[in-house]
Amino acid sequence: TQLLEQSPQFLSIQEGENLTVYCNSSSVFSSLQWYRQEPGEGPVLLVTVVTGGEVKKLKRLTFQFGDARKDSSLHITAAQPGDTGLYLCAGAGSNYQLIWGAGTKLIIKP
Amino acid sequence: NAGVTQTPKFRVLKTGQSMTLLCAQDMNHEYMYWYRQDPGMGLRLIHYSVGEGTTAKGEVPDGYNVSRLKKQNFLLGLESAAPSQTSVYFCASSYQKRGREPQHFGDGTRLSIL
Repeated sequence: TQLLEQSPQFLSIQEGENLTVYCNSSSVFSSLQWYRQEPGEGPVLLVTVVTGGEVKKLKRLTFQFGDARKDSSLHITAAQPGDTGLYLCAGAGSNYQLIWGAGTKLIIKP
Repeated sequence: NAGVTQTPKFRVLKTGQSMTLLCAQDMNHEYMYWYRQDPGMGLRLIHYSVGEGTTAKGEVPDGYNVSRLKKQNFLLGLESAAPSQTSVYFCASSYQKRGREPQHFGDGTRLSIL
């Protein structure tokens, strides 16, 4: 059974600080996606990484796919209250079905 | 842009009652999915469909049935609701199933079984 572990489960920091969220597995994924979910809404895709070692930037968010395609990280620089939400990673397994992490709940305090 | 629409948004059922959750998408997507989201467990796939008239089991299919009679609609049924089915249910759709395609989600149905 393929599993994706996210850490930390919960993070509360002040506006302006930097943070990193991790997504780890013992399995290899063909691709990995990061979603953000706000209360009362469904997840919304932020980015898809496909190649081992790939780095993608989305404004203040930097996403990296591990060289072995088993792990990924999301780094936020100078966090803002608008970054508050639940961040979910999802890896595409051997049958292309998504395996979801449990999520990191992020709160950015003004 | 409607995207994926789920109805109802909230529902309270008694144990043993039945109900159907409705999902409609207007993006002409082939693939549709039903997930449940529980605290600390992420999204778990219940059933999915790769096209009109087809359905397949996901990770946690027991106690649920689905139908995809029209390409734009995917229905999730609970024949005899149990308290363990209390959850938030999300429908999603995608153009392909290759894992690189984004899944587009509805806003969820919050279901409580008493």
